[in-house]
Amino acid sequence: EPEVTQTPSHQVTQMGQEVILRCVPISNHLYFYWYRQILGQKVEFLVSFYNNEISEKSEIFDDQFSVERPDGSNFTLKIRSTKLEDSAMYFCASSETGRRNTIYFGEGSWLTVV
Amino acid sequence: GENVEQHPSTLSVQEGDSAVIKCTYSDSASNYFPWYKQELGKRPQLIIDIRSNVGEKKDQRIAVTLNKTAKHFSLHITETQPEDSAVYFCAAPGGFKTIFGAGTRLFVKA
Repeated sequence: EPEVTQTPSHQVTQMGQEVILRCVPISNHLYFYWYRQILGQKVEFLVSFYNNEISEKSEIFDDQFSVERPDGSNFTLKIRSTKLEDSAMYFCASSETGRRNTIYFGEGSWLTVV
Repeated sequence: GENVEQHPSTLSVQEGDSAVIKCTYSDSASNYFPWYKQELGKRPQLIIDIRSNVGEKKDQRIAVTLNKTAKHFSLHITETQPEDSAVYFCAAPGGFKTIFGAGTRLFVKA
């Protein structure tokens, strides 16, 4: 069964550094997402991406964050100038179509900022 | 903006009992309602979903009911087993995203 894959599974970074989290969505899916989950809390929407541009973003997704689809398979989340409060699990997800369709999550990338 | 409220936040049941988790949503245009199960340290995984053209859907021990007029939907788990222990999230679409409830931590005591 096709799956969303993410790398790295865990990254530790110094405060102020930049990190890039990578994702390979399911191949026939057209919509891509990043969600964040702080330990023990809810799954929070960050951004949705379609047709090489951002469809929607949350208040969390400020200038510190950016997304990119650098080639035909990868979808990346860049976090600049990381802060302690950026420590969380970051889930990439994809869906076949946009609204009102099942989204499938990757295994997540656990980011620890120290 | 769009919002999804979920309760209870924690639910503890005896093995074999039923568990019910409820959610309400705000966007009246929503027509698709998935439920996800998240085990500790793992990703949320879809367990059941319902579209607004039906009021109930069942898959073995789990079922979901939908009341569009009241804008709420519920997850029902019957004959609970210890392996049902997890966090359950309801969700609803809002714009170009899926919004998740705060989650319900279900404990099934053997």
